[in-house]
Parts: sequence; structure tokens; C-alpha cells
Amino acid sequence: EVHLVESGGGLVQPGGSLRLSCAASGFIFSDYWMIWIRQAPGGGLEWVATIKQDGSVKNYVDSVKGRFSISRDNAKNSQYLQMNSLRAEDTAIYYCATTTRGAPFDYWGQGALVTVSS
Amino acid sequence: DVVMTQSPLSLPVTLGQPASISCRSSQSLVDTDGNTYLNWFQQRPGQSPRRLIYKVSDRDSGVPDRFSGSGSGSDFTLKISRVEAEDVGVYYCMQGAHWPYTFGQGTKVEIK
Repeated sequence: EVHLVESGGGLVQPGGSLRLSCAASGFIFSDYWMIWIRQAPGGGLEWVATIKQDGSVKNYVDSVKGRFSISRDNAKNSQYLQMNSLRAEDTAIYYCATTTRGAPFDYWGQGALVTVSS
Repeated sequence: DVVMTQSPLSLPVTLGQPASISCRSSQSLVDTDGNTYLNWFQQRPGQSPRRLIYKVSDRDSGVPDRFSGSGSGSDFTLKISRVEAEDVGVYYCMQGAHWPYTFGQGTKVEIK
């Protein structure tokens, strides 16, 4: 059974940093793209970043470019999201996920709450 | 970015009756590989989103066959043939053809 477990969320001041981790199990981690998606208070969903199987390709939504960095460690079956220069508008539940566009493979973690506030 | 527009945003339904949600994209979702990457997600209260439908009409594993997707190009529909109590939640369409992938605003399905 596939499991994705996020950790590292919490309260941080504007301008601060936070690193989210996601531990994966139940599938061959190195075979799949990994994703971070966030959901702001009130509901809107937004793709934040994606990373290719070997880490060679990374994509970011414009609102986090230059501030967030996605990475993975296939030996540890884990992915990460380093978040710097955090803003109030980054406040959200951050989901670790993996998906395949054209096949029945799509899994999400339970989410990690990040609150940016002074 | 591709804008996904759902309607209605709120959908009160009677148990056992059908329900339908519309989703329109600001541009075609046909990718260079010829596939149309339009997904539907369900988010039950207090839970993470769960994908129901991918590539317009393919159901994910374990999804009841009362859920069906249809459409083409930039106009899509999710239908629930007979709404059950467990179907209450928010439904999102999402395009996976153009980066950044984007979601619709969500449609809240509730029981009358």
C-alpha cells in the first residue's frame, strides 16, 4: 500500500525558512515524478513544484520561483521542499503527492500545515 | 496560465439523483502526444484530495462506476449517476497539459 507522510510544517515569521520532508513507501520511489501541491485557507489548490525521477528536471509555479527548492533522495525514498523568504500568502496545507498523467496511479499524503505569520 | 472555470460552485443534490459539474479551460488541453489531460478530484471533508478521473474519462482504481467523465478540447463534464451520502465534498477539475498545471475553483456538493 502506498504511503506518503509529510513532516516539517509549522509556524514561521515572514521572511523565514522552513523545510518540508515527505517519506514515501509502498511503491518504487525512483520510478515516479514527485510533486508538492498546496491548499490555501478557503480551499484553492495550487501545484507548487515537481521533480523528475532522477532529479534532473524541476518545475516551479511562478509565485515560488527563486524562493522554494524541490529535491529528492531516492536512496531514502524521500522528497523535500526548502522554502525561503516565506510570505503570508504561502500559508497553506502542503501536500506531497505522486501521479502519472496517463495511468491509474495518483497518491497524496495527509498534508503539512505551514503558517506564515508574525 | 490555463484558467479552469467550474460551474456551478455549489450543487445541492437529492440522494439517489444524478449530478453534473461542468469545467471549461481557457485553452485546449490536447497535449502534443495526442492525449487530453483533464482530471477530476474529490475532496471529502477533512481529507486530502483524491483523483477520480484522468484523461477526461478514465476512472482511477477503486472509483465507483457511478462517476463518469466526458468532454473534449476545452469543455468537460463530471457526472454522478446516483448521488450517495459519501459523495459529499468538493470536486475539482485540473488540467495536466500545460505547466503550471492548474485547478478549477471547486464545486461543493451537498445533500439537500
